[in-house]
Amino acid sequence: KNEVEQSPQNLTAQEGEFITINCSYSVGISALHWLQQHPGGGIVSLFMLSSGKKKHGRLIATINIQEKHSSLHITASHPRDSAVYICAVSFDSNYQLIWGAGTKLIIKP
Amino acid sequence: SAVISQKPSRDICQRGTSLTIQCQVDSQVTMMFWYRQQPGQSLTLIATANQGSEATYESGFVIDKFPISRPNLTFSTLTVSNMSPEDSSIYLCSVAKSGRASEQYFGPGTRLTVT
Repeated sequence: KNEVEQSPQNLTAQEGEFITINCSYSVGISALHWLQQHPGGGIVSLFMLSSGKKKHGRLIATINIQEKHSSLHITASHPRDSAVYICAVSFDSNYQLIWGAGTKLIIKP
Repeated sequence: SAVISQKPSRDICQRGTSLTIQCQVDSQVTMMFWYRQQPGQSLTLIATANQGSEATYESGFVIDKFPISRPNLTFSTLTVSNMSPEDSSIYLCSVAKSGRASEQYFGPGTRLTVT
């Protein structure tokens, strides 16, 4: 059974700090997704990764397929980055995504 | 990639009524999916919307409660029927473009509150 674990569950940091959120999974996957969910409920897809590293603005996502681990980094964090960050993994063999529990991030000014 | 829009973005409805949520994609896609996220929970797959045929529902979800249409390769609707407060959730549309189910893109979600 594949499981997706995120850490930390909750993270509070000061504006400007470098943020790292981790995601690990237990079996081989085809792709890993990072999503952002704001307090109002809206969901934004941040990254879809199958290997290596992707960068978009202040966000960086990396994946290590051998270690079955991915990280989401936020540089120069800002209060508007406060949200729940969700990791999910998917497989070519079917459309079911396995979801992590989410990391609640609060950035204080 | 794919750009997905959903309407409405949020709504407050009375119990016993029905709400239809629309999902529009900016390009033709192979697969479209509908998810639900109940308060404090992770997302759960409701069904796969199939173009030209009935949707494929996951265990625990039925067509009478969540009828789905997919008239073409860029559009789908999900109806939440005879709503109760337990249906208060975020409903999310996602798509896969190339037939690779792993490459899914997600809409912004519809926040539904049933009073």
